[in-house]
Amino acid sequence: EVRLVESGGGLVQPGGSLTLSCAASGFSFSSYSMNWVRQAPGKGLEWISYISMRSSTRYYADSVKGRFTISRDNAKNSLYLQMDSLRDDDTAVYYCARPRGVYYFEYWGQGTLVTVSA
Amino acid sequence: EIVLTQSPATLSLSPGERATLSCRASQSISSYLAWYQQKPGQAPRLLIYDASDRATGIPARFSGSGSGTEFTLTISSLEPEDFATYYCQNRDNPIAFGQGTRLEIK
Repeated sequence: EVRLVESGGGLVQPGGSLTLSCAASGFSFSSYSMNWVRQAPGKGLEWISYISMRSSTRYYADSVKGRFTISRDNAKNSLYLQMDSLRDDDTAVYYCARPRGVYYFEYWGQGTLVTVSA
Repeated sequence: EIVLTQSPATLSLSPGERATLSCRASQSISSYLAWYQQKPGQAPRLLIYDASDRATGIPARFSGSGSGTEFTLTISSLEPEDFATYYCQNRDNPIAFGQGTRLEIK
């Protein structure tokens, strides 16, 4: 069974940093690209970052470019999101997602809530 | 950058009725579109990919159609568990989601 479990969310002040983790199991993690998608409270879905199987390619949404860094450790079956210079509008539930193919998100974690507030 | 516009924002129907949800792309995306269902407090679930292919385990009452800039998700006969919010998503970089259609019980 494919399982994705996010952790690391919490309350952080504006300008602060936080690192999210996603532990993957039930599939060959190193054989899939991975993504982060977020959802602000009461709002829609927003894709924010992609990383290829061997980390050679990374993409970011304009809203987080230069502030967030996606990474992975295939030996640990883990995906990460380093978030710096956090702003109020970064408040959201953050999901890691494994695609079907490359860009359609077939498997999702349960999400971890990040709240940016003074 | 592609923008996806979904309509209507809210759709009020009764169980057993047919639901038709639309997604319009700001430029042609061929057939590279997916549909997701999301219920409150849950992660989204992939329903349809490549505009018309059902994902694993998705009931046959869900179908997708369209290409280019106009896409439709049809639920042939609504079940109580189908009342949720639906999102479309393009496949290109950057990935975009529509703003969602909330399907509510009439």
